[in-house]
Amino acid sequence: AQKVTQAQTEISVVEKEDVTLDCVYETRDTTYYLFWYKQPPSGELVFLIRRNSFDEQNEISGRYSWNFQKSTSSFNFTITASQVVDSAVYFCALSEPARQNTDKLIFGTGTRLQVFP
Amino acid sequence: EPEVTQTPSHQVTQMGQEVILRCVPISNHLYFYWYRQILGQKVEFLVSFYNNEISEKSEIFDDQFSVERPDGSNFTLKIRSTKLEDSAMYFCASMLLRNQPQHFGDGTRLSIL
Repeated sequence: AQKVTQAQTEISVVEKEDVTLDCVYETRDTTYYLFWYKQPPSGELVFLIRRNSFDEQNEISGRYSWNFQKSTSSFNFTITASQVVDSAVYFCALSEPARQNTDKLIFGTGTRLQVFP
Repeated sequence: EPEVTQTPSHQVTQMGQEVILRCVPISNHLYFYWYRQILGQKVEFLVSFYNNEISEKSEIFDDQFSVERPDGSNFTLKIRSTKLEDSAMYFCASMLLRNQPQHFGDGTRLSIL
């Protein structure tokens, strides 16, 4: 079973539209961390946010916001007023530090976001 | 801002040859990782390294793979006898302390011919 599911393979929007990228995770641990990374066309992985399982407060950073809901095991990412520069593949990831001693990241399959002018 | 540096950015190698991918993690970081991403697919964990030893490795990380931190700054991934299916982007990452974000390098694209 997938531990991190990003059901949306590809999303296309027009600039200034809001877009939400879904992430559903699966873990039996009570302590875990969730992450979002951005992979622009140039290929690097850019860290966006980390959330621990005990902090369900939503977070906003400029046009980016994240909605963490333990009840539905989801950690969704919303971009408000999208811009062409937001075009990238976005990965959600999970780490289970109690289960492993390494903090390895378990990635979802990614959502490719294309923002058209 | 300090960053993880990977060299080369692109490596082309004949099947069966050995290849070494190099990484310079952020200088005060203690935990080191290699991941790989086959074209168009998700990023997969290969190996983690802490205190000069492997702390965890995935099923992908078989006897053909090895890692080393020879001089306290470089962190290398060696593939002894490359196969076509080793073609992928390889990412190095480092982390300061447990449960902190991992910072990734720009990756090395490995192409096996």
